[in-house]
Amino acid sequence: GQNIDQPTEMTATEGAIVQINCTYQTSGFNGLFWYQQHAGEAPTFLSYNVLDGLEEKGRFSSFLSRSKGYSYLLLKELQMKDSASYLCAVRDSNYQLIWGAGTKLIIKP
Amino acid sequence: NAGVTQTPKFQVLKTGQSMTLQCAQDMNHEYMSWYRQDPGMGLRLIHYSVGAGITDQGEVPNGYNVSRSTTEDFPLRLLSAAPSQTSVYFCASSYAPGSGANVLTFGAGSRLTVL
Repeated sequence: GQNIDQPTEMTATEGAIVQINCTYQTSGFNGLFWYQQHAGEAPTFLSYNVLDGLEEKGRFSSFLSRSKGYSYLLLKELQMKDSASYLCAVRDSNYQLIWGAGTKLIIKP
Repeated sequence: NAGVTQTPKFQVLKTGQSMTLQCAQDMNHEYMSWYRQDPGMGLRLIHYSVGAGITDQGEVPNGYNVSRSTTEDFPLRLLSAAPSQTSVYFCASSYAPGSGANVLTFGAGSRLTVL
């Protein structure tokens, strides 16, 4: 079966750095996505990785290792507004998205 | 641009009632989809469409119907609501899946409660 694993909840301090991991087992691979979802709102796109390595976008970076079935999202200089759920999704060989259950990130002052 | 517009935002139904969730996009996206989101689970695909007149089932299609008569609209019909269909529903659209990111744009969501 297809599976995406990510931690259920993480806590971090304002101004710090946090890494959210995602491991996957899917039928084929056509890219990995990270979305941010604030409580009661829709998911919004953060990043896309299709090749191995690090993609940096401001305070957010995303890393991919296809051989290990592993990705992480790195958030730097955490702000209170970063409190949200972070969803990892993999596009499989049929170009369908398989979603993880999301990681709820709690930022403390 | 409005993006993806979803209505209603909230709805309470009794078991056995039917209803339609509306979804419209103004980005000329070929691909449209409906997801449900339940606590502790990932987004699950209900139905999707790759163009007008074409629909297909996703992971959890039972109890739901869709149609795609135009590029812009993709309504989701609940035929006979059941408590198990209590959930938050999201409509999402993108350009046709293929090479490149083809990022999904989501509607604001519809919270449905079935009593």
